[in-house]
Amino acid sequence: DTEVTQTPKHLVMGMTNKKSLKCEQHMGHRAMYWYKQKAKKPPELMFVYSYEKLSINESVPSRFSPECPNSSLLNLHLHALQPEDSALYLCASSSAAGTRPAFFGQGTRLTVV
Amino acid sequence: AQSVTQLDSHVSVSEGTPVLLRCNYSSSYSPSLFWYVQHPNKGLQLLLKYTSAATLVKGINGFEAEFKKSETSFHLTKPSAHMSDAAEYFCVVSDTSGTYKYIFGTGTRLKVLA
Repeated sequence: DTEVTQTPKHLVMGMTNKKSLKCEQHMGHRAMYWYKQKAKKPPELMFVYSYEKLSINESVPSRFSPECPNSSLLNLHLHALQPEDSALYLCASSSAAGTRPAFFGQGTRLTVV
Repeated sequence: AQSVTQLDSHVSVSEGTPVLLRCNYSSSYSPSLFWYVQHPNKGLQLLLKYTSAATLVKGINGFEAEFKKSETSFHLTKPSAHMSDAAEYFCVVSDTSGTYKYIFGTGTRLKVLA
């Protein structure tokens, strides 16, 4: 099973709303990632969790707040977003640093109005 | 620092003809390289991976790639294109220094003509 499950698939939120994106994997992977992807661009790394600890934050604005409650779950809490934050948000997981591939979820299409 | 360069932003082929998507990499270490495919509004699906075993790597859906150290290349090929192959393809190198980062190329959009 190489499945990474993301919910919801689509989300429309206002600039004053608070919402959360969820990601789940049951492959025993100890690294989990959030990526942001704009149209016709490659994914951009936002955060990396390694063994449930935040190991990389790519200078992401504080209106995005990640959380890793356990080794299978990854959340991304959203607050006071801007229209330019509208994008496809992808979650991924991998088993080890460097040599193994990452497995991606289907993404959450976020629209900020 | 590691990087990948996808040499073509768009490739068009006729159905039934061969596919070649080009990727060059730069790495201080022995690289781990991957190809992913992304259909519109979907996540990324792993096509194949090179992790220092055989230099000719076979993937899913008839795709394969050859690792050529002398040319620092990892081109993706398929003998016969199918309409369902139309998608965005990303060449990716992983940072083997332990940062857990995956470095993406800019992508190649493959168009398959009937």
